[in-house]
Amino acid sequence: AQSVTQLDSQVPVFEEAPVELRCNYSSSVSVYLFWYVQYPNQGLQLLLKYLSGSTLVESINGFEAEFNKSQTSFHLRKPSVHISDTAEYFCAVRGGANNLFFGTGTRLTVIP
Amino acid sequence: DVKVTQSSRYLVKRTGEKVFLECVQDMDHENMFWYRQDPGLGLRLIYFSYDVKMKEKGDIPEGYSVSREKKERFSLILESASTNQTSMYLCASSLQPNSPLHFGNGTRLTVT
Repeated sequence: AQSVTQLDSQVPVFEEAPVELRCNYSSSVSVYLFWYVQYPNQGLQLLLKYLSGSTLVESINGFEAEFNKSQTSFHLRKPSVHISDTAEYFCAVRGGANNLFFGTGTRLTVIP
Repeated sequence: DVKVTQSSRYLVKRTGEKVFLECVQDMDHENMFWYRQDPGLGLRLIYFSYDVKMKEKGDIPEGYSVSREKKERFSLILESASTNQTSMYLCASSLQPNSPLHFGNGTRLTVT
C-alpha cells in the first residue's frame, strides 16, 4: 500500500525568501510522484510530476522537486517565493493501482 | 485545455435528503474520480470509474454511490445525507491510469 506524509501543515515565509515543502512517501512498488497546488476557491492543479528519468523535475513557475529513492522523499523547493505562491500544496503518490494517494497538504503563506 | 465541470459550487441540503453531485469532462478521459477534501485530512478517494458503467470503491465509499452512464459524466450520490458528509467534493479525470488528474473547482456541500 502507498501513503504520503507532509510533515508541515503550515509554512509561513517572507516574500523573496526560499522555501521547502517536505513530502515523504511509502510504497512497496515503483512510484509516480506528483505535486498539486490549490489556490483559494479553486480545484487542484498539477504543479509537477516525476514518472521516470531525471530525478529533478521543474515547473514553469520556478518550483522544483527532487525524487530521492533512498530517503523516499519528494520535497518541493523554490529559491524565491512571490505573494502569488500563497496556496495549499499537496503531494501525491501513485504506485501500481489506479489510485492516487494524497498527503494532508501544506498551506504556504507568503508574507509581504 | 481539459475542462472538468462540477454543476454546483455551493449546495445546502437537509439531513436525510438524497443528493446528486454532477461532474462532466470534455476530453474523452477514461478515468474519473470523486474525492472529498477536509481540513487536516487532505483528499480521500470515495469512488472511481475507469470505464462507462464500471466503478470501484475508494477509501471511504460508505454512504455514497456513483453512476457513470456516459463517458463524460460521473455522478456522486448521497442516498441519505448526513451532517458528517458536510465537506468539499472534488471531481477529477485522467486519460490513463498513470496520467495526471484534472480537477473541477469543487462543490462545497453543507448538510444541516
